[in-house]
Amino acid sequence: GAVVSQHPSRVICKSGTSVKIECRSLDFQATTMFWYRQFPKKSLMLMATSNEGSKATYEQGVEKDKFLINHASLTLSTLTVTSAHPEDSSFYICSARPDRVNYGYTFGSGTRLTVV
Amino acid sequence: GNSVTQMEGPVTLSEEAFLTINCTYTATGYPSLFWYVQYPGEGLQLLLKATKADDKGSNKGFEATYRKETTSFHLEKGSVQVSDSAVYFCALIVTQGGSEKLVFGKGMKLTVNP
Repeated sequence: GAVVSQHPSRVICKSGTSVKIECRSLDFQATTMFWYRQFPKKSLMLMATSNEGSKATYEQGVEKDKFLINHASLTLSTLTVTSAHPEDSSFYICSARPDRVNYGYTFGSGTRLTVV
Repeated sequence: GNSVTQMEGPVTLSEEAFLTINCTYTATGYPSLFWYVQYPGEGLQLLLKATKADDKGSNKGFEATYRKETTSFHLEKGSVQVSDSAVYFCALIVTQGGSEKLVFGKGMKLTVNP
């Protein structure tokens, strides 16, 4: 149990366009989901915490207007990269934890975004 | 603040070699500690965890012991395989402002050659 599905796995888009990435918890409900960005040869950077039914909490230095997060249901959070630029190219990973005690975090398989 | 420091590598080993990846942490209180593994092109998978001092997490031949006195959680495996080639992340859970977050080390890339 505790599977997180992330889609798409790869996407290539043109500069100036927007891209939406979906993160779904398949067999559990998640009040909170997390979005990370992974740079080459570097660790995971937490971008924001997605809260069901309320606004996301962004980490310092992350542009809220560029990285729009929507957590409309207990099983779905979306990250939209707006007006994408080549420097937004990266590997984005979502994570969630079942609302049950002592259950660990589960990660999606990631989305490789390339902006050309 | 809360942080995780781990060996960054990259490290290349021969099959059946012994592996140690050092990890130390700084945190208030007694955090839960984790090792995650990321295979090429994939997301992260939980490898093992420990929730209190002296706990030993183990999985797939990997082990790590929660050492409060040295604030460490070193990962070890006695005999690595080619399939262990991946990036390994040490992490801890912190609670800030009423919300819980995972804090990761920078990750270490391991390559195991036949």
